Amino acid sequence: GAGVSQSPSNKVTEKGKDVELRCDPISGHTALYWYRQSLGQGLEFLIYFQGNSAPDKSGLPSDRFSAERTGGSVSTLTIQRTQQEDSAVYLCASSIRGEQPQHFGDGTRLSIL
Amino acid sequence: GESVGLHLPTLSVQEGDNSIINCAYSNSASDYFIWYKQESGKGPQFIIDIRSNMDKRQGQRVTVLLNKTVKHLSLQIAATQPGDSAVYFCADGASGSARQLTFGSGTQLTVLP
Repeated sequence: GAGVSQSPSNKVTEKGKDVELRCDPISGHTALYWYRQSLGQGLEFLIYFQGNSAPDKSGLPSDRFSAERTGGSVSTLTIQRTQQEDSAVYLCASSIRGEQPQHFGDGTRLSIL
Repeated sequence: GESVGLHLPTLSVQEGDNSIINCAYSNSASDYFIWYKQESGKGPQFIIDIRSNMDKRQGQRVTVLLNKTVKHLSLQIAATQPGDSAVYFCADGASGSARQLTFGSGTQLTVLP
């Protein structure tokens, strides 16, 4: 079946602009995660959604970052007033009811000029 | 805080040889561990996982070993093939309500012809 789908695959924007990144999880997966991967580094947890529960936002690095998940499916990660240090690959993963393993999309490569 | 680390950032092996990738973790409460393979431009791909009530688990050409005494795990790949060239990450899913994975920085495996 279809895997986790992320769009756009690449995004280049100017410093100070807002960006929206989209994630479409695997059908039937109620848990959704966002991670950030800087060049040559491991993945850094950002936020976790599970069903209708309040999201775990403990990994968001600043209040410029926010995410929402509508209808328990598609999620959007928004970064406001982007900074150069926001440049990274943003990865989305989903899993069944918050259980492991998590299955990842191919990410959005974000470049801030 | 919790950390997951890898012993070597790079590993080169001859095609057909066995590969061993090591990982250390610091959180003694960790009860779940997972290995991912990440090819260039792609998201992490699940390889194999293991829970803390086991010390060994085998998959197709891969074996994960867990030593809770020294907080170490390893990934063994049998008869390494060119398609195995990638970055390998171990990750730790600690117990409790948190569902996010804590990733190490990865090991680049290169398979030599």
